[in-house]
Amino acid sequence: LAKTTQPISMDSYEGQEVNITCSHNNIATNDYITWYQQFPSQGPRFIIQGYKTKVTNEVASLFIPADRKSSTLSLPRVSLSDTAVYYCLVASNTGFQKLVFGTGTRLLVSP
Amino acid sequence: GAVVSQHPSRVICKSGTSVKIECRSLDFQATTMFWYRQFPKQSLMLMATSNEGSKATYEQGVEKDKFLINHASLTLSTLTVTSAHPEDSSFYICSAASGTGSNSPLHFGNGTRLTVT
Repeated sequence: LAKTTQPISMDSYEGQEVNITCSHNNIATNDYITWYQQFPSQGPRFIIQGYKTKVTNEVASLFIPADRKSSTLSLPRVSLSDTAVYYCLVASNTGFQKLVFGTGTRLLVSP
Repeated sequence: GAVVSQHPSRVICKSGTSVKIECRSLDFQATTMFWYRQFPKQSLMLMATSNEGSKATYEQGVEKDKFLINHASLTLSTLTVTSAHPEDSSFYICSAASGTGSNSPLHFGNGTRLTVT
């Protein structure tokens, strides 16, 4: 399983765009990149998943460069409710995902 | 969307007793479920992979006789913490994949806060 590295924490203000970058230098050809969000005392919630280039959904965008050794989760115009821990995970498509969570990034959004 | 229900959300038990936690996939079938443990301010730690109709696969360092996993149906997996001790107090979370494709995102339950007194 590819190891991921993220900043431990980030601070932002309401209305700003937040970009969280994750490094996964050992990503394999079959690996997908998935981001999860976790609020205190809750299970993680799926945000977005991608393989290459750019993926966008109603809550976030995911940017993946050509070498796929990193990825950036972009949250547009964050609000206080976006304060959470964000996890970047990489998993192979060979068999069901046995996800190993890294440290995650603790995002604090202030007024 | 796919929903995973976990019960109970909180449980307090006395040292030496056993506690069972249920994980259900409400609107999909899950041949594989995963159990995680999370201590305060830490990341999720994978404990075991639960396979319907077969024995669970435990991660290194996780005692299979202490954390009994049963996956008797395609929608239910249970984790029993046997002879619980205060150090077993933690947040336990289950997850399951809703699709048959191996890159299907996992859906997580809302966790069970176990406190052993």
